[in-house]
Amino acid sequence: AQKITQTQPGMFVQEKEAVTLDCTYDTSDPSYGLFWYKQPSSGEMIFLIYQGSYDQQNATEGRYSLNFQKARKSANLVISASQLGDSAMYFCAMRESVTGGGNKLTFGTGTQLKVEL
Amino acid sequence: EAQVTQNPRYLITVTGKKLTVTCSQNMNHEYMSWYRQDPGLGLRQIYYSMNVEVTDKGDVPEGYKVSRKEKRNFPLILESPSPNQTSLYFCASKGSYNSPLHFGNGTRLTVT
Repeated sequence: AQKITQTQPGMFVQEKEAVTLDCTYDTSDPSYGLFWYKQPSSGEMIFLIYQGSYDQQNATEGRYSLNFQKARKSANLVISASQLGDSAMYFCAMRESVTGGGNKLTFGTGTQLKVEL
Repeated sequence: EAQVTQNPRYLITVTGKKLTVTCSQNMNHEYMSWYRQDPGLGLRQIYYSMNVEVTDKGDVPEGYKVSRKEKRNFPLILESPSPNQTSLYFCASKGSYNSPLHFGNGTRLTVT
């Protein structure tokens, strides 16, 4: 089974509208973390937001919020008031513990977001 | 400036010619990792290291080697590159358990 699933290969949104990018995950580790990254066309990876599995409240960072539904194992990214500069590839990632005491970060396949005028 | 530095940014080579992609971080991070990014597949982990002299395989380690002799450096070695290793490679590091990864700017490798 996929550890991280992003089912939307591409999405369009009108400028100033809100958009939700979907992410579901699968883990048996009770202490895990979820991250979202943005990759603009220039290629760099930009960290956006983090949610820990024990966090009681949904994470927010400026126009970004994470809709964390633990029972459904989903961690959707919500971008409010979309801007042209939000056009990019977005990756969901999960950190979980592995045997031996280490931890591993697994990424989804990404969602390409295009913001239109 | 806190950063992860990868070199080179672009590399074109031929099948079988050994190459090394260097990675260095100046944040005193214990955790470092290599990923490759391919269209439709996202980022897949090649190797990671929890600390000096400690390395572990990720999801796609075949054809790659790493070493972690110093905390700041984590080179990726392709002993005998093949065309299916043509990809965009990222090195990353992180500090504490809950910290996000800091990524280098990527190395675009083409193997002909």
